[in-house]
Amino acid sequence: QSVLTQPPSVSEAPRQRVTISCSGSSSNIGNNAVNWYQQLPGKAPKLLIYYDDLLPSGVSDRFSGSKSGTSASLAISGLQSEDEADYYCAAWDDSLNGRVFGGGTKLTVL
Amino acid sequence: EVQLVESGGGLVQPGRSLRLSCAASGFTFDDYAMHWVRQAPGKGLEWVSGISWNSGSIGYADSVKGRFTISRDNAKNSLYLQMNSLRAEDMALYYCAKDISSLFDSSSTFDYWGQGTLVTVSS
Repeated sequence: QSVLTQPPSVSEAPRQRVTISCSGSSSNIGNNAVNWYQQLPGKAPKLLIYYDDLLPSGVSDRFSGSKSGTSASLAISGLQSEDEADYYCAAWDDSLNGRVFGGGTKLTVL
Repeated sequence: EVQLVESGGGLVQPGRSLRLSCAASGFTFDDYAMHWVRQAPGKGLEWVSGISWNSGSIGYADSVKGRFTISRDNAKNSLYLQMNSLRAEDMALYYCAKDISSLFDSSSTFDYWGQGTLVTVSS
């Protein structure tokens, strides 16, 4: 059972927009920044969004992040087949005094 | 180009020890905090441990606290994870990850990851 809750899977058609949710509490998302990571099949994770809504250099602006209260979201617009991957949210947890991840969401592009 | 290369994984019996290493290159190692993150087969990511640039601040996940020890040698551009009293649930691919900051704190963010080293715990 992960501290941060994500849907196990989402699917959408190419060129459409999809959002992935990440639900937490006041000890993590509610009080700390959220990061999002993309893990392509068989690969190491890649930083996608940091500090809630910032894009690292080189990451497509089709990806965006947002946060409200104790929940965060990752949006991907103009879906492409190469976006098929597992997506993880992460935040610091003040109670655990460490970093926590969501359980991950598998994105399927239909 | 940032490179993180993990080594030291392998097959180990429950209760035994293993030491993982991560060789860093392509950036000024002692300017950044570093972390270990693991992924059990077919499962999600789990943060294991983090260390600040000067080893002054260190943290562990509850699941490994008291059994694992993180350390770094800035002169050798290397990060380590000493794993003692290994359990079946420690079996995972262990990633070394670079932080965007020198500090180990609530803003910790992993911007580069290695390819991982596999630890198998079995009798």
